[in-house]
Amino acid sequence: SYVLTQPPSVSVAPGQTARITCGGNNIGSKSVHWYQQKPGQAPVLVVYDDSDRPSGIPERFSGSNSGNTATLTISRVEAGDEADYYCQVWDSSSDHSGVFGGGTKLTVL
Amino acid sequence: EVQLVESGGGLVKPGGSLRLSCAASGFTFSSYSMNWVRQAPGKGLEWVSSISSSSSYIYYADSVKGRFTISRDNAKNSLYLQMNSLRAEDTAVYYCARGVVVVPAALYYFDYWGQGTLVTVSS
Repeated sequence: SYVLTQPPSVSVAPGQTARITCGGNNIGSKSVHWYQQKPGQAPVLVVYDDSDRPSGIPERFSGSNSGNTATLTISRVEAGDEADYYCQVWDSSSDHSGVFGGGTKLTVL
Repeated sequence: EVQLVESGGGLVKPGGSLRLSCAASGFTFSSYSMNWVRQAPGKGLEWVSSISSSSSYIYYADSVKGRFTISRDNAKNSLYLQMNSLRAEDTAVYYCARGVVVVPAALYYFDYWGQGTLVTVSS
């Protein structure tokens, strides 16, 4: 089965840029989606299809995907961005299945 | 406004059964695939199961295959998850999520989520 690897934690000062990576074998050939989850809340989609943003998501959130790494970039980080972030792909190689990364805790210092 | 409201969670003994429901509103339910995603306490997200808009395609995670059954009733705008032979490791918050699918691109993501319902499997 397909595996997505994320760093457990990333820390950044307010106003700086946070980059959260998601590693997978040839992930650049897949569409990657990102979710933000704050404590006690349901996940929220922040980036889909590598780099598109749903309506209502600030332009500060962007994504890229190439080779074996996809990246969620959060510019001008705010205190309210502190949350867990998960990457996700759909693995249609054999048994179709959804796959999530292990999640990254973003701490705003 | 898209709304997904889960229900049916609770405390169940190992080996027991539970049926989760998800009531959908604010969109044309019959046009979307639907999904269950769970999250064990303090852990990450785990995809559980997906069902296409007309129930033609159904997929399960290996961890629940043969024990869980996903279904939907488009006339009632409802999604279900029948969970049998429950184990302690099935303890989690279960989220209902709407799916967006683009087949040629193998693109599949979850654009709206419910607030979840907690399932606790314990003796």
